Amino acid sequence: QVKLLQSGAALVKPGASVKMSCKASGYTFTDYWVSWVKQSHGKSLEWIGEIYPNSGATNFNEKFKGKATLTVDKSTSTAYMELSRLTSEDSAIYYCTRSLWDRFDYWGQGVMVTVSS
Amino acid sequence: DIQMTQSPASLSASLGETISIECRASEDIYSNLAWYQQKSGKSPQLLIYAANRLQDGVPSRFSGSGSGTQYSLKISGMQPEDEGDYFCLQGSKFPWTFGGGTKLELK
Repeated sequence: QVKLLQSGAALVKPGASVKMSCKASGYTFTDYWVSWVKQSHGKSLEWIGEIYPNSGATNFNEKFKGKATLTVDKSTSTAYMELSRLTSEDSAIYYCTRSLWDRFDYWGQGVMVTVSS
Repeated sequence: DIQMTQSPASLSASLGETISIECRASEDIYSNLAWYQQKSGKSPQLLIYAANRLQDGVPSRFSGSGSGTQYSLKISGMQPEDEGDYFCLQGSKFPWTFGGGTKLELK
């Protein structure tokens, strides 16, 4: 069955960066886009961007350009997202998802990022 | 960006009651609309896609309808396990955007 296993929670200092992972299993990793979604304050959801593992092509929400970097390692079926220059506004839960044409059908368990000195 | 306005923000329903949640898009999204359920502390789960198609494994009491800019999710017969937050997502145009969510509780 399809699974997306994300890395653990992170506590990071303001101004630092954090890199999280999303290991896919149960499907051909290179056949599907992987999207990343931010959930703030326990409710509101924002799409950050997506990456196509086969080519490395990306699409981003303009709001997150310069904030998020998306990469993949095809050899381990793992997608990564790095967030830079962190502020308190970046404290949130971050999900990776498998993207289809018009929806996200599978979600990882989420990574809680806390930005605090 | 396409704005997704979801209503109501919260809802309390009795066991067996039929409820509806609405999402209105700021422009035509051509039925590229999905609904998700999120239980406390869990990841969102896909319920409905393409406005009215039931995701595999989702109970048939969930249904979706709508077109253009107006969409709705209906639960025909509230069950205790249906408590949670519900979100809509438009997948018509980048950036993909979500509704603000509806908190559904059992009365």
